[in-house]
Amino acid sequence: AQKITQTQPGMFVQEKEAVTLDCTYDTSDPSYGLFWYKQPSSGEMIFLIYQGSYDQQNATEGRYSLNFQKARKSANLVISASQLGDSAMYFCAMRKGGTSYGKLTFGQGTILTVHP
Amino acid sequence: GAVVSQHPSRVICKSGTSVKIECRSLDFQATTMFWYRQFPKKSLMLMATSNEGSKATYEQGVEKDKFLINHASLTLSTLTVTSAHPEDSSFYICSASLTGGPNEKLFFGSGTQLSVL
Repeated sequence: AQKITQTQPGMFVQEKEAVTLDCTYDTSDPSYGLFWYKQPSSGEMIFLIYQGSYDQQNATEGRYSLNFQKARKSANLVISASQLGDSAMYFCAMRKGGTSYGKLTFGQGTILTVHP
Repeated sequence: GAVVSQHPSRVICKSGTSVKIECRSLDFQATTMFWYRQFPKKSLMLMATSNEGSKATYEQGVEKDKFLINHASLTLSTLTVTSAHPEDSSFYICSASLTGGPNEKLFFGSGTQLSVL
């Protein structure tokens, strides 16, 4: 069975500083994908970044980067130069393998608060 | 990124009535759509997988007669909560898959907050 763990219920960061949100996963499937989504108070799920299990380099998307450590089964999200608008719930998710690649298993989420 | 539209964004209904939620892929044809449920400040839980022209596949513990899913076209899937009760109150959100491939990025609708009185 696949499992995603986010151990930080809440994180605080000062505006303009960098912050790392932790995510560890467990799967026996050699092919998998890892996602990070942002969920503001409005409820929508905003795609941030994706890392495939066979990708050689860590994914980056603007201020977001994914610190992918395959041997440790971790996929931490790094947000550089935090902005007030980054305050939201952040979810790490894993794509299931097999025939239905769109199924996602989510972690518990981390509430990020950016202070001015 | 791909646009997924979900309506309504919020619905309040009386206990015993049925509520229909729509999920549309606006700029692509979705081979598969997924329905999730989320309780306040909790994670998303997959409810069912919806494939165009075939019956939905429900996750364990999800009542298929309570949560009816119809995927009549490649751009529209609907979730109907039948005979809704207060315990069905929750945030429901859909996602859509274009290719079903291993490297596909997955996009979500904006979600529907259901409140059953």
